[in-house]
Amino acid sequence: AQSVTQLGSHVSVSEGALVLLRCNYSSSVPPYLFWYVQYPNQGLQLLLKYTTGATLVKGINGFEAEFKKSETSFHLTKPSAHMSDAAEYFCAVTQGAAGNKLTFGGGTRVLVKP
Amino acid sequence: DSGVTQTPKHLITATGQRVTLRCSPRSGDLSVYWYQQSLDQGLQFLIQYYNGEERAKGNILERFSAQQFPDLHSELNLSSLELGDSALYFCASSDSLGQGGNSPLHFGNGTRLTVT
Repeated sequence: AQSVTQLGSHVSVSEGALVLLRCNYSSSVPPYLFWYVQYPNQGLQLLLKYTTGATLVKGINGFEAEFKKSETSFHLTKPSAHMSDAAEYFCAVTQGAAGNKLTFGGGTRVLVKP
Repeated sequence: DSGVTQTPKHLITATGQRVTLRCSPRSGDLSVYWYQQSLDQGLQFLIQYYNGEERAKGNILERFSAQQFPDLHSELNLSSLELGDSALYFCASSDSLGQGGNSPLHFGNGTRLTVT
């Protein structure tokens, strides 16, 4: 079984401030982890993914995430928020390369204040 | 643009009715996935098809069914609709069997279903 917990359904940050979105997972086998972003009235878009190898993963739009096995976490960060980062962010997990069920967290909506 | 096309964008219907949602995957993708997004349930995996065959089932109700055609487009059929079926239905596609790391999902913009 696998599950994902995103802490905080809403996050408000000031433009230029650090963005930190928390994600914890549970998985019975080594996980593959993803962050997706959903802009208003659009589908989900892949931000970044962790499969194997380097635990610090860089994605699009200046985002990065670090896989910490000991903490079962995959938190998403961006050093400096931009107004265009306002969106909903979803963490997701699947069980390895052959996993065929992607489990999403509940999502975190990010509001960026000028 | 993800390359995944969903129609219609919006659908308003009454309880008890039946609707069909359509999805055209990205060119070359063999896998199609259906997800339901609602305020109370979040993003729920419904079902996956790979090259015309059902490969995985999630939290799909018996009133719902799907199929994938030889040209790889897929349809999600929702019948005996209830108010609680109101949601955003997403289709996604990938070029592999699994939803694993080497083949991430590409999502369409969704069909918003409102049941009145």
